[in-house]
Amino acid sequence: DAGITQSPRYKITETGRQVTLMCHQTWSHSYMFWYRQDLGHGLRLIYYSAAADITDKGEVPDGYVVSRSKTENFPLTLESATRSQTSVYFCASSEARRPGLAGLTDTQYFGPGTRLTVL
Amino acid sequence: GIQVEQSPPDLILQEGANSTLRCNFSDSVNNLQWFHQNPWGQLINLFYIPSGTKQNGRLSATTVATERYSLLYISSSQTTDSGVYFCAVETFRGGSQGNLIFGKGTKLSVKP
Repeated sequence: DAGITQSPRYKITETGRQVTLMCHQTWSHSYMFWYRQDLGHGLRLIYYSAAADITDKGEVPDGYVVSRSKTENFPLTLESATRSQTSVYFCASSEARRPGLAGLTDTQYFGPGTRLTVL
Repeated sequence: GIQVEQSPPDLILQEGANSTLRCNFSDSVNNLQWFHQNPWGQLINLFYIPSGTKQNGRLSATTVATERYSLLYISSSQTTDSGVYFCAVETFRGGSQGNLIFGKGTKLSVKP
């Protein structure tokens, strides 16, 4: 049971380059999420996806692009990396229940993280 | 938006001691989760507890939704409990299912 994996685990890039971080889950969870973790800010949601081909912005989406053509994959792309995007990036997934008045988001399971440094 | 405050920010314990971590939130929530981030950075979900009380071994959690707080209890602490504990909530008014808001965490150090 591989769970949720991220690649690469470490990445160093230069300002202005395009970088793609990969996330793969084997549970067929409907929901997938991208967070960034920075000192002093905790974890902040970048984008999330409710299902294949359905994505939505989180708290800090600027400078990032996501796609979800398959349920199990949720790549995050930095189209033109900036130093302020140096961070640790976490992917997560959950099998959310049907949205509604009593809709609740189920437990989120996190990947191991990708440490990205932009020089 | 909803505010999540955790206390204390830092906590140092001797192995075997008990502790209580607190999470206050500023609005009604439909989701509250506690996470542990170990010293290697891995985030592990401890509890999904929008209300009530749950126990898992030496850990237990209580959420009093009407008073907008949650408590995480760690009994007989071990060095492996060290790390950062995060509380995360989702509000009814978020409009977007799955939009967890994280507190800044409590950093726990358990000394042998």
